Amino acid sequence: EVQVLESGGGLVQPGGSLRLSCAASGFTFSSYDMSWVRQAPGKGLEWVSGISGSGGSTFYAESVKGRFTISRDNSKSMVFLQMNSLRAEDTAIFYCAKSRVGCSGGSCSALDSWGQGTLVTVSS
Amino acid sequence: QSALTQPASVSGSPGQSITISCSGTSRDVGGYNYVSWYQQHPGKAPKLMIYDVTNRPSGVSNRFSGSKSGKTASLTISGLQAEDEADYYCSSYTSRSNTVFGGGTKLTVL
Repeated sequence: EVQVLESGGGLVQPGGSLRLSCAASGFTFSSYDMSWVRQAPGKGLEWVSGISGSGGSTFYAESVKGRFTISRDNSKSMVFLQMNSLRAEDTAIFYCAKSRVGCSGGSCSALDSWGQGTLVTVSS
Repeated sequence: QSALTQPASVSGSPGQSITISCSGTSRDVGGYNYVSWYQQHPGKAPKLMIYDVTNRPSGVSNRFSGSKSGKTASLTISGLQAEDEADYYCSSYTSRSNTVFGGGTKLTVL
């Protein structure tokens, strides 16, 4: 069974940093792109960042480019999101999600397994 | 990258069909056949319902179907059931190799 579990959320002051982790199991981790998607309280989904299966390619939304860094450790089946210079508007539930089975290229934008999310609150 | 445009809400009675639209640009919806649809119930993680415009993942009811014309994609739910009441989001691959979501549509089953 595919499982994705996020951790590392919490309360942080504006300008601070936080590192989110995502542990995956039940599939050949290195074969799949992974993404982070966030959802501000009462708002819609926002794609944040993605990383290729090898980790060689990374992608970011304009809203986080230069502040967030995505990475992965295929030996541990984990993906990370390092978040720096956090702002109040970054307050959200952050979901880790796996690209769907059998995808290639742009088709890997479809995310077929999601964790339950971890809440990040940026406030003084 | 601006969010894709969806209606804020739609409603229908049990047994009826509804359609949710998702409008983008030539740099996303209009440029690629990589539109996905997600269902999200309150307090739950999103669930993939449609990928690559028209395809259903294994286990998703065939009451859900997707289509696209130009820069607008659509999700149709036929034979509406109470359990379909949820928020629905479209997403698309973009020319920047990113993904963009729509603002979401709240479906109410009357």
